[in-house]
Amino acid sequence: NAGVMQNPRHLVRRRGQEARLRCSPMKGHSHVYWYRQLPEEGLKFMVYLQKENIIDESGMPKERFSAEFPKEGPSILRIQQVVRGDSAAYFCASSPQRAGELFFGEGSRLTVL
Amino acid sequence: KNEVEQSPQNLTAQEGEFITINCSYSVGISALHWLQQHPGGGIVSLFMLSSGKKKHGRLIATINIQEKHSSLHITASHPRDSAVYICGQGGSEKLVFGKGTKLTVNP
Repeated sequence: NAGVMQNPRHLVRRRGQEARLRCSPMKGHSHVYWYRQLPEEGLKFMVYLQKENIIDESGMPKERFSAEFPKEGPSILRIQQVVRGDSAAYFCASSPQRAGELFFGEGSRLTVL
Repeated sequence: KNEVEQSPQNLTAQEGEFITINCSYSVGISALHWLQQHPGGGIVSLFMLSSGKKKHGRLIATINIQEKHSSLHITASHPRDSAVYICGQGGSEKLVFGKGTKLTVNP
């Protein structure tokens, strides 16, 4: 049973470009969470999704950031017009149930030049 | 506002020592999580607990609901235990995390 798969592991973008981060949850998991970890800071909740639904996006910046978890395929975190402050590690976690045990991916490290 | 505080921020130990990392939180919980993060690496979930105590190998997690406090203990520490340990809690799936405790275990 493969774990949570995130790609790319590392992504470099120039200011103004778009970044797309993908997360495939563990098999059988329909709950996906995205967290951001800024350098020297803790993990911060961004968004919680279930298949085809955004349940809670209160931790996500109102502009430039969006997330989806379609019926088929991975969950995607999309950052438009990236700025240097978006440089961070983005972690995805999945769970078999709401508020259940979390299984994390290896993270996607975004660097904005 | 839910706040999670960990102590110490940094901890250096000699191989074999007993380690304790503390976590205090400000609001009631449904569950408290302990995570491990190796340098430049991914995150592994160690424990999720809402009461009492859990043990897995050399790791023990305890929680005191009344005092809003949890501890992570490592017995017979080993250099491979060197990592950042993070606690997170919340009343729902929207967890709030501490900044982590960086543990270094020297041989």
